[in-house]
Amino acid sequence: GAVVSQHPSRVICKSGTSVKIECRSLDFQATTMFWYRQFPKQSLMLMATSNEGSKATYEQGVEKDKFLINHASLTLSTLTVTSAHPEDSSFYICSVPPQQGGEKLFFGSGTQLSVL
Amino acid sequence: QKEVEQDPGPLSVPEGAIVSLNCTYSNSAFQYFMWYRQYSRKGPELLMYTYSSGNKEDGRFTAQVDKSSKYISLFIRDSQPSDSATYLCAMSTTGNQFYFGTGTSLTVIP
Repeated sequence: GAVVSQHPSRVICKSGTSVKIECRSLDFQATTMFWYRQFPKQSLMLMATSNEGSKATYEQGVEKDKFLINHASLTLSTLTVTSAHPEDSSFYICSVPPQQGGEKLFFGSGTQLSVL
Repeated sequence: QKEVEQDPGPLSVPEGAIVSLNCTYSNSAFQYFMWYRQYSRKGPELLMYTYSSGNKEDGRFTAQVDKSSKYISLFIRDSQPSDSATYLCAMSTTGNQFYFGTGTSLTVIP
């Protein structure tokens, strides 16, 4: 199956700093990647769809200027949490649909962000 | 009404028990159904994938889809402590948009 690499796995930062999370598709080229956010004991919340070579599509209520997404190549998408605050502390996960049909999602290992 | 409903549990069973996890959904257009296992602070891992109705078996795991009832199940036989995790159901119509249950927390007691 597809292999998705996400790092870092854990980030602890001070309030006001920016944090970049990388998501790499190792097995195939991905024109689309999904970014999710997950709070403890809750399900995955789709934040945005990353599109290679074009702007990301953000879900309602997600601040574009706060969560910057760049999908510069067919294997790499990045999520930058700008000027992070404690309320941004969460578990962030990327996922990649397979090239052929996209009916199965494969996930990265997740990034636990803690903003002090 | 949520697109996908899943009992969050927690569910606690003794080792060796048969575990039944379930999700119901409202959108009859869903045709792709998935079960994921998620350990604490890790990304979800795809366990089972089913297209349309029917059963699928993989080792100790069996996935069932009943589209007429809008109901899917995951059975775990001979449960092991290593099965302790959160299990998420997910479904999709076209593969471009996915809907997730809230996850069921399972603990298998040795």
